[in-house]
Amino acid sequence: SYVLTQPPSVSVAPGQTASIACGGNNIGRKSVHWYQQKPGQAPVLVIYYDNNRPSGIPERFSGSKSGNTATLTISRVEAGDEADYYCHLWDRNSAHYVFGTGTKVTVL
Amino acid sequence: EVQLVESGGGLVQPGGSLRLSCATSGFTLSTYWMSWVRQAPGKGLEWVANIKKDGSEKYYVDSVKGRFTISRDNAKNSLYLQMKSLRAEDTAVYYCARDPYDRPEYFDSWGQGTLVTVSS
Repeated sequence: SYVLTQPPSVSVAPGQTASIACGGNNIGRKSVHWYQQKPGQAPVLVIYYDNNRPSGIPERFSGSKSGNTATLTISRVEAGDEADYYCHLWDRNSAHYVFGTGTKVTVL
Repeated sequence: EVQLVESGGGLVQPGGSLRLSCATSGFTLSTYWMSWVRQAPGKGLEWVANIKKDGSEKYYVDSVKGRFTISRDNAKNSLYLQMKSLRAEDTAVYYCARDPYDRPEYFDSWGQGTLVTVSS
C-alpha cells in the first residue's frame, strides 16, 4: 500500500519559517493536500492540489512539490500555528485515501 | 453553512457492533462523495471508508473490510457506518468528511467526531 512519510516534529521560533516534508513514491505525479489539526479539534484543510489555499487560510501557508517530496511551508510563524499537520492524497492504484504520518509543529 | 454532525459513538465490548451516523446540512448530500476517517487516541489520521454520491461505489481500508459497511440515505441527508466484530484497535474518534469533487480528491469539511471505545 502507498505510504506517506513525514518527520514526527518540527520546531520553529515565532516569525521564522517552518517547512514540513511529505515523502512518497512518485508523489510528483499525484495531487497532495494538507490539513492542520489542533488538539481536540477536527482537521482543517490548509492546502489543496499541491499549492492552493482555501478561503480563510492565511497567505503564510503555501505548498510545493519536488521529486518525491511535497512540502508545506508556513512563513512568519505565529503561536497559533502550533498544531499537527498531515499530508493526504487519493491513491488511484489502490482506490484508497492515504494520510501522512503527521508532523507536530512546536512554536518555541 | 455546511455542517456535519456525527453521533452513535460509545463504549462497546470486543466483538460487539455499533452504528455511527453523520447528519449533514447546508449542502445537497447527493452531489458529494463522503468518507469516514478515524483517529486512535494520540495517533494520526486513518481513512476508513468512502462512498460515491449515489452509493454505487464503496471502498474500505483493508483492516475493516468485511466488518464495516458504509452507506448513505441522501433523502435523509445522512451518512452511516455500521461496525461489527469490533476490536480494541478500532477505538478511535470517528469523523465524517466531505469530498468537494465528483471523484475522491480531498476533504473540505469535517464533522466534530464521535468517540468509539472498544473495551471489556
